[in-house]
Parts: sequence; structure tokens; C-alpha cells
Amino acid sequence: DVKVTQSSRYLVKRTGEKVFLECVQDMDHENMFWYRQDPGLGLRLIYFSYDVKMKEKGDIPEGYSVSREKKERFSLILESASTNQTSMYLCASRLMTGDTEAFFGQGTRLTVV
Amino acid sequence: RKEVEQDPGPFNVPEGATVAFNCTYSNSASQSFFWYRQDCRKEPKLLMSVYSSGNEDGRFTAQLNRASQYISLLIRDSKLSDSATYLCVVNMGSYIPTFGRGTSLIVHP
Repeated sequence: DVKVTQSSRYLVKRTGEKVFLECVQDMDHENMFWYRQDPGLGLRLIYFSYDVKMKEKGDIPEGYSVSREKKERFSLILESASTNQTSMYLCASRLMTGDTEAFFGQGTRLTVV
Repeated sequence: RKEVEQDPGPFNVPEGATVAFNCTYSNSASQSFFWYRQDCRKEPKLLMSVYSSGNEDGRFTAQLNRASQYISLLIRDSKLSDSATYLCVVNMGSYIPTFGRGTSLIVHP
């Protein structure tokens, strides 16, 4: 069964902290994505990765970075957390073939105080 | 203009009703299309892919109109358990999944 696992369901961090959100998939997918979801704004793409060691900026990369050292793991890093980064973060993965669906992790609800 | 647009609703319908959602997209080169369902505080899950010829899965029918750049989802005989947010997803340039903001459906007894 397909599985995308995010390391935490809920996180509370302080302003200015460096935050790591981890995502692991067990499907040998090449593509991985990080989105954030906010009420009224839908899912917005932060970063994506076509394959290991590759990364591309999405629509809202400011304040974030990513790491993809291994195929199964895609990490999202908040360099210095701010209150406007309080959100639901969703990781997804997909085969390289562009016409297949993406599979999502359960989401991490991050609160920055 | 947002690349993928949906009416946010909510659509409030009685059990047994038929309800339809539309989604428009801006990139005419878009290649693949999906409907996802998202329950409250859960992750999105694939409901169905949308093919050029249209496709049906039980009570659900999805259609694509490339000329007018929209996709649709029809739900027949609505159940209480159909209450959720329905997300339209379009794979745009470089096959990046781009999401609409979702349409909320509430099915009441």
C-alpha cells in the first residue's frame, strides 16, 4: 500500500526557531512536493523535487528551503520561523510520469508562537 | 487570475440529490486532470482521474472539456458521507500539480 509519512502531525515552535519538517515515501517515487494549505487560499506549492539532489522553487518559496539527499526523503526547512508560517504543511510524492496522481502525507499542522 | 478556479460553495444539498461542480483552468497546454476529496483536517485523496473521453466510477462522473478549458464532477444520489471538500487538480507546465481552492459540499438528511 502506498505510503507517505510526515514526521509530525502537530508542531508548536517559537518565532526565530529553525524548523525541520520531514517527509518519507516508500513508493520509489521520483517527484516530491511540499505545499502549505491555508483557509481560503487552498494548497500552494512551496518547493518541489524531480529527483534526488534536485529542487525547484514553487510559488511561495520565501522563508523556506528544502533538502533531498535520498530519494525517499524530502525535508522542508523553515530557516527562522515566523508567525505567518503557521499553517498546514502537506507533502506529496508521485512517479516521474507526469500524468499520474500525487499521494499525500497526513499533514503537519505547524503553529509558530 | 488564478490558474485553477473553483466555486468555493458551500453546496448544501439533501441526501439523494444530484450535484455538479465545475473547475476552470487557464493553461491550455495542461495535460492531466484529477479530482481529489479532502475531509476536514485530513490530507487530500484521489477521487478520480479525468480523461478526455470522460469517466465514471459508481455515482461519480468526471468530464473534461478542452475547448472551454474546464472539468466537471457530477455526483448522483448524494450520501451524507459525500460531505467533504472537492479539489480540482491540473498538471500544468512541467506537470506540476496545481490545485483549485476547493468546493465544499454538505449533504444533509
